[in-house]
Amino acid sequence: RKEVEQDPGPFNVPEGATVAFNCTYSNSASQSFFWYRQDCRKEPKLLMSVYSSGNEDGRFTAQLNRASQYISLLIRDSKLSDSATYLCVARSGNTPLVFGKGTRLSVIA
Amino acid sequence: GAGVSQSPSNKVTEKGKDVELRCDPISGHTALYWYRQRLGQGLEFLIYFQGNSAPDKSGLPSDRFSAERTGESVSTLTIQRTQQEDSAVYLCASSEEPDRNIQYFGAGTRLSVL
Repeated sequence: RKEVEQDPGPFNVPEGATVAFNCTYSNSASQSFFWYRQDCRKEPKLLMSVYSSGNEDGRFTAQLNRASQYISLLIRDSKLSDSATYLCVARSGNTPLVFGKGTRLSVIA
Repeated sequence: GAGVSQSPSNKVTEKGKDVELRCDPISGHTALYWYRQRLGQGLEFLIYFQGNSAPDKSGLPSDRFSAERTGESVSTLTIQRTQQEDSAVYLCASSEEPDRNIQYFGAGTRLSVL
């Protein structure tokens, strides 16, 4: 059973483009949601939390749709340095975080 | 301060040998997690420690895998009689109460079983 599912990509976009990733979660009891970023051959790092009302951090916007059980990440004005794998994460109660397999993004000059 | 430290960074072993992987969490972090990441795959949860006890061992793939934590600090993940399918990056993360949502990862140990 895949609790958190993501399109693996890769998404190949030109610099300056806007790109969006979606992620679905199967556990309706999930309460907390995050996006982590993992660069090639590096460890994952927290990118941003996802709040019910949606939240923005610079060029990054995260949204949550509880009714449809999906979260999204929008990246505006893509930079070469945004190239990475983006991991969707969900959590219910005090259980450990559940990671999706990630969506790979390549931003091309 | 120092982040999560894992050692060794790379380990090459022969099939059938035992290996021990070490994780030093961030000082004061009570929660510690082990994950496995095969090449091109996502993170696979293995085990979680709260203090020195492991409330969730559900991800350990077989009885060849075990982990312990002492002094609410260092943890070791032991793989006995390694198999080729054990080849992966083993990542350790720690987090601080009360916000266990933010996990800080180590750089991982890349295990290759020949």
